[in-house]
Amino acid sequence: RKEVEQDPGPFNVPEGATVAFNCTYSNSASQSFFWYRQDCRKEPKLLMSVYSSGNEDGRFTAQLNRASQYISLLIRDSKLSDSATYLCVVNLSNTGKLIFGQGTTLQVKP
Amino acid sequence: GAGVSQSPRYKVTKRGQDVALRCDPISGHVSLYWYRQALGQGPEFLTYFNYEAQQDKSGLPNDRFSAERPEGSISTLTIQRTEQRDSAMYRCASKTDPGGGWDEQFFGPGTRLTVL
Repeated sequence: RKEVEQDPGPFNVPEGATVAFNCTYSNSASQSFFWYRQDCRKEPKLLMSVYSSGNEDGRFTAQLNRASQYISLLIRDSKLSDSATYLCVVNLSNTGKLIFGQGTTLQVKP
Repeated sequence: GAGVSQSPRYKVTKRGQDVALRCDPISGHVSLYWYRQALGQGPEFLTYFNYEAQQDKSGLPNDRFSAERPEGSISTLTIQRTEQRDSAMYRCASKTDPGGGWDEQFFGPGTRLTVL
């Protein structure tokens, strides 16, 4: 079983749609959680950290459920520029050794 | 300021040759990480350094892979006797502090390695 599991998609949505991605992680000792965004042929970049209380950044909302070992990302009012691969990431300790999921591909269409 | 840089950006080599991949982290960043990314997959951890000390090499696939960071800045990932299965994107990342599990890692553009 992979340590971080995501549905690879692709998710094809129209502009303006709301879309949600989920991921599960296997190690209950995981300490910190993130969503990274990766554009085609580019390096991953931090989108947002995911806190137990849930957090929001503009159109993006991230949630963490430690009991279920489940992380989610909600994107409201999708833009064409949101088209990318979204990587679910966990950190098992404070070392920064990141464990990445496979990524979920989002394609927003006009 | 300058981000993480990696060289070469592309490397094509023949099976059996040794290759050295270079990473130049953001100035002042203490922690440096190496990842490998296959097509359609997320990055996979290889090894990391705090300053010049290699802290964890548990992700290195086998003893053909090694890494060093002798002066606590630039790092080199070396693959000896390359095999076709080593073909992938090799990414380097750095962050400011050794601790801080919530700190952002900044990734470089990667080196695309192709072993023929």
